[in-house]
Amino acid sequence: KAGVTQTPRYLIKTRGQQVTLSCSPISGHRSVSWYQQTPGQGLQFLFEYFSETQRNKGNFPGRFSGRQFSNSRSEMNVSTLELGDSALYLCASSLGARAMGLDEQFFGPGTRLTVL
Amino acid sequence: AQSVTQLGSHVSVSEGALVLLRCNYSSSVPPYLFWYVQYPNQGLQLLLKYTSAATLVKGINGFEAEFKKSETSFHLTKPSAHMSDAAEYFCAVSAPNAGKSTFGDGTTLTVKP
Repeated sequence: KAGVTQTPRYLIKTRGQQVTLSCSPISGHRSVSWYQQTPGQGLQFLFEYFSETQRNKGNFPGRFSGRQFSNSRSEMNVSTLELGDSALYLCASSLGARAMGLDEQFFGPGTRLTVL
Repeated sequence: AQSVTQLGSHVSVSEGALVLLRCNYSSSVPPYLFWYVQYPNQGLQLLLKYTSAATLVKGINGFEAEFKKSETSFHLTKPSAHMSDAAEYFCAVSAPNAGKSTFGDGTTLTVKP
């Protein structure tokens, strides 16, 4: 079974731009979660999508948004980029039948975003 | 509310020595607990999980963890460290009513030859 894939792996943007990151979950998984990982803040939960609906949301500003398609693939968008958005963005998929976090999450390799 | 505290952001052991990574949690309901490992430039990989069955949980790569409710702890151990164990380790807690997993700040394990 193919693992979770994320594209692109590396991205460099400038302040004020917007960016879209993509995540393809493991086949059969219906839940996709996004996390931001930085040295200072650690792993922070952004949001979770299940069956094309946002099921849970973390404490991030509205500049961070996401969506999920009918094939469970997910995209995350960050608008008006700030220097502080530089981070590793991780996507995780799970079966999703139970409440988020109770099923094992399978993580992708991440997208390293650098904002200049 | 749920939270996780990992004691010690850096742990260094000699090859062949015992590995002990500490994790304490807080949860208002019986939690699910997880340990993940992250190698450089990779995502997180599940080592083991506790889901209210046996309190001693065995995972991959020789790791195990014991759930101690009285101490609200879920420490990760491995009897004999290997060089390949060098990585960052994350403890995470989930509860049915929380709607998300909460991760600790991580512990970087260094293994000296």
